[in-house]
Amino acid sequence: GQQVMQIPQYQHVQEGEDFTTYCNSSTTLSNIQWYKQRPGGHPVFLIQLVKSGEVKKQKRLTFQFGEAKKNSSLHITATQTTDVGTYFCAGTRMNRDDKIIFGKGTRLHILP
Amino acid sequence: EAQVTQNPRYLITVTGKKLTVTCSQNMNHEYMSWYRQDPGLGLRQIYYSMNVEVTDKGDVPEGYKVSRKEKRNFPLILESPSPNQTSLYFCASSLLASMNTEAFFGQGTRLTVV
Repeated sequence: GQQVMQIPQYQHVQEGEDFTTYCNSSTTLSNIQWYKQRPGGHPVFLIQLVKSGEVKKQKRLTFQFGEAKKNSSLHITATQTTDVGTYFCAGTRMNRDDKIIFGKGTRLHILP
Repeated sequence: EAQVTQNPRYLITVTGKKLTVTCSQNMNHEYMSWYRQDPGLGLRQIYYSMNVEVTDKGDVPEGYKVSRKEKRNFPLILESPSPNQTSLYFCASSLLASMNTEAFFGQGTRLTVV
């Protein structure tokens, strides 16, 4: 079945350094969503990408959707302690939008 | 306030004792789903519902049941819980049956089966 692979599983960065997590699908996606889960919390929606090659920014966060709509990335510039948490990508297959597949997430830890 | 409410937040139970985790949303969303979250495995979908009386299996449905008699409620039922169902469970809802809309998650239910 379809898988959405997310790497790395864990990332430790010094505060102020950049961070990137990558998401790759075995099949073409109709869209991809990103969620953030703070420690002890629940996933919270960040953004959705729909178009091939789309790039969206939210302050220090940059989201990209690949040209083939099979991969995506989230890049955080100059990390802050508030960025701590697990970041999940979630994809929906083309012509099968009743099911969403989550990646396993990347846990980001910030070293002060 | 728009929200997805799960109850209970924490539950410790014994093997074989039937339990229900409730989920309710106040946003008139069509789509609701249940996930379990386990270390290293991320979020895995258990069951989902595209509308009232319409439910379907997700990726890990074994040992679970759901019902959707009303639009706002989507309870998760464990008829005979086993220790391998110890997990963190999340209910989520979306506006449309299509998942091309933002999912709102409940606060989570941490279940321990001994």
